[in-house]
Amino acid sequence: KAGVTQTPRYLIKTRGQQVTLSCSPISGHRSVSWYQQTPGQGLQFLFEYFSETQRNKGNFPGRFSGRQFSNSRSEMNVSTLELGDSALYLCASSLRGTSGGSSSTDTQYFGPGTRLTVL
Amino acid sequence: AQKITQTQPGMFVQEKEAVTLDCTYDTSDQSYGLFWYKQPSSGEMIFLIYQGSYDEQNATEGRYSLNFQKARKSANLVISASQLGDSAMYFCAMRERSGSARQLTFGSGTQLTVLP
Repeated sequence: KAGVTQTPRYLIKTRGQQVTLSCSPISGHRSVSWYQQTPGQGLQFLFEYFSETQRNKGNFPGRFSGRQFSNSRSEMNVSTLELGDSALYLCASSLRGTSGGSSSTDTQYFGPGTRLTVL
Repeated sequence: AQKITQTQPGMFVQEKEAVTLDCTYDTSDQSYGLFWYKQPSSGEMIFLIYQGSYDEQNATEGRYSLNFQKARKSANLVISASQLGDSAMYFCAMRERSGSARQLTFGSGTQLTVLP
């Protein structure tokens, strides 16, 4: 079974631009979560989608948004890029959403990430 | 307050020896899951092992085992017979069940270096 895929793998943008990152989950997985990883802040949760609905959102400004399609693929968008948005953006998929109990089926499997550099 | 604490920023281990990576957590939930991930320099987060809060036995996956001490809120990862390919960043994470904190919360990580 193919793993989580993310495109593009690398991206260079300038301040003020916007960017869209894409994530395709493992086949059969309906939950997709996004995380931002920076050296200073570590891994921080952005948002989670399940069945095309945003179920949970982290503490990020409204410039960060996302969506999920009927085939469970997800995109995240960052508008008006700032230097501080430079980070590794990781997408993770799981079989179930997070509203259930904690079990091995809720394990999140990560993609290779998109490394965004804002100049 | 930190929910996941990894107190070892860096660890060194000799090849073929065992190593323990520490993780303590803080939650008032009774139901939660604990995870360990490995992140090589390439950046991808690789799932290693899972422990549920109600699991009575410590989880094991090949050379990885999780030393779960619920009363102490501790979930240490033990890697037996270390290999050079084990050199990576290791993250402990928790997912709680109640409230809005249902996402994975990660610790700051431990950089493991396996020496030949």
